[in-house]
Amino acid sequence: GAVVSQHPSWVICKSGTSVKIECRSLDFQATTMFWYRQFPKQSLMLMATSNEGSKATYEQGVEKDKFLINHASLTLSTLTVTSAHPEDSSFYICSGHSADYEQYFGPGTRLTVT
Amino acid sequence: GENVEQHPSTLSVQEGDSAVIKCTYSDSASNYFPWYKQELGKGPQLIIDIRSNVGEKKDQRIAVTLNKTAKHFSLHITETQPEDSAVYFCAAIFTGGGNKLTFGTGTQLKVEL
Repeated sequence: GAVVSQHPSWVICKSGTSVKIECRSLDFQATTMFWYRQFPKQSLMLMATSNEGSKATYEQGVEKDKFLINHASLTLSTLTVTSAHPEDSSFYICSGHSADYEQYFGPGTRLTVT
Repeated sequence: GENVEQHPSTLSVQEGDSAVIKCTYSDSASNYFPWYKQELGKGPQLIIDIRSNVGEKKDQRIAVTLNKTAKHFSLHITETQPEDSAVYFCAAIFTGGGNKLTFGTGTQLKVEL
């Protein structure tokens, strides 16, 4: 299957600071990338959909000014958590979609806000 | 809204036995149903998928069946091995959803020696 990478794999930041997570499709062009959040022992919760060159579409209840998404190219999308707080601590996962229906997921980024 | 229900939430089997996980969906027009395996601390991995024009699909020890009339689909793992232990998620794409996946709640599969 297609490969998606994320960087960093884990990050610890202090409350009030911002952190950027990168998502890259390594061997395919992702016309659409999705960002998910996952709490322990729970399912994946879609945060937003990003299309290359356009603004992201956020799911209901997700603050667009707090979770900034940029999809600058067909292989790179970034999620920036601004003014992070402990409740933002979670496992963030991106996925890439190219043709048809398949989505390929990255390995995830563990964010801990202290 | 559209949703996907998944059962059981936990499943324990003996090595070599079969495991079956079932999901039901609400939108009768849904047309794509993937299954993902997620190991602890990792992202989900697509293991098999099925489209609405197919009733069954098999890949080695893994198979998925789809019953469109009843709006449910199932994952079948035969000859289970310890490395099959993980959380499995079913998902569906609902019409008008822009390729967004709606996930089930997950099944923790444990294969015991």
